[in-house]
Amino acid sequence: KQEVTQIPAALSVPEGENLVLNCSFTDSAIYNLQWFRQDPGKGLTSLLLIQSSQREQTSGRLNASLDKSSGRSTLYIAASQPGDSATYLCAGFSGGYQKVTFGTGTKLQVIP
Amino acid sequence: DVKVTQSSRYLVKRTGEKVFLECVQDMDHENMFWYRQDPGLGLRLIYFSYDVKMKEKGDIPEGYSVSREKKERFSLILESASTNQTSMYLCASSDREGHLIYGYTFGSGTRLTVV
Repeated sequence: KQEVTQIPAALSVPEGENLVLNCSFTDSAIYNLQWFRQDPGKGLTSLLLIQSSQREQTSGRLNASLDKSSGRSTLYIAASQPGDSATYLCAGFSGGYQKVTFGTGTKLQVIP
Repeated sequence: DVKVTQSSRYLVKRTGEKVFLECVQDMDHENMFWYRQDPGLGLRLIYFSYDVKMKEKGDIPEGYSVSREKKERFSLILESASTNQTSMYLCASSDREGHLIYGYTFGSGTRLTVV
């Protein structure tokens, strides 16, 4: 069964710092990996979707990579801002409808 | 952009009530999903639907049922609400390529409290 791990569970950084969030998965059959942010009490907002053939996706200050051989995805946030404070989750897609596995999330706090 | 709309942000219901959670998507997606999210347990799949009138059980279907009469609408039904169903409920939709899910778009969530 696919397992998705996000370490650290919480992270606090000063504003302006570049940072990397990690997502590790066990099933190399993964074909898509999606990063989300979740603000307290709200739903999940999709940030980036990486297909295994793409390896990398960028949107503004965000860059996500996918390395199936190492079982790892990273989300890079450049020049962090207090508005980036949220919980970030990754989800691995490795089969049909019931083979989507979410990580437990990294709670990010960016201090002004 | 695809929008997934959940009809209520907050609901408070009494034990034993029948509860309906509604979800509507506007991008003609075939797949729709209901998850619940609890602290320490993450997201757990309750039910999903890959076509109109089709439904499949997820990991925790007990105490729930679903209805999909139209492609854009997927309803979650709590037949007799209990306190252990107090949770955040998240609806999602997705496109698909064959039997593979392309990626999720989530609604804003419904925080249900059963008293």
